[in-house]
Amino acid sequence: GNSVTQMEGPVTLSEEAFLTINCTYTATGYPSLFWYVQYPGEGLQLLLKATKADDKGSNKGFEATYRKETTSFHLEKGSVQVSDSAVYFCALSGRVQGAQKLVFGQGTRLTINP
Amino acid sequence: AAGVIQSPRHLIKEKRETATLKCYPIPRHDTVYWYQQGPGQDPQFLISFYEKMQSDKGSIPDRFSAQQFSDYHSELNMSSLELGDSALYFCASGRASGSVVYEQYFGPGTRLTVT
Repeated sequence: GNSVTQMEGPVTLSEEAFLTINCTYTATGYPSLFWYVQYPGEGLQLLLKATKADDKGSNKGFEATYRKETTSFHLEKGSVQVSDSAVYFCALSGRVQGAQKLVFGQGTRLTINP
Repeated sequence: AAGVIQSPRHLIKEKRETATLKCYPIPRHDTVYWYQQGPGQDPQFLISFYEKMQSDKGSIPDRFSAQQFSDYHSELNMSSLELGDSALYFCASGRASGSVVYEQYFGPGTRLTVT
């Protein structure tokens, strides 16, 4: 079945550091890939998405490229801020039996220190 | 912009009681998804609806049921509550393009505590 594996956290960085959170997936067919962010006490917010191979999703300085050959969708940001502290979830959406439920990775908690 | 609305935001119930969670999707969205997120866990898919019909079912206990109404809002009914049902319950909505929903937008969640 479909599955997503993220790098284990927690990840702690200093402000303005470069961020990479690794995400790999296993899926049948051609899933869509997403990064969601969850701030403390809040719901999940869609950060970025890519719906086909070689697509690059970007938002708020974050980027991720859909790599079919390596089945990866790593999240990157060139210079993180304290306000980026949150839990980040990689997810895929595959057409399983006609529905597009999201399958999430286990989440990576990111803490940015000033 | 309008977002997904969930009510109540917090709910405290005792074991063996019943709970009803409500979800109001973004206007013009025709699909609704329910997810359960335990403490420190990733969200797990429970059930989904497209145009008021159940479209998929995940790891939803038989004690739970859900439906989508004519105005597209959805309700998740949970009976014989157990301590292990304590979790954050998210509703998400999306709009199908053809037969594909590319994005799901999440509500703020209902935090259910069973004592």
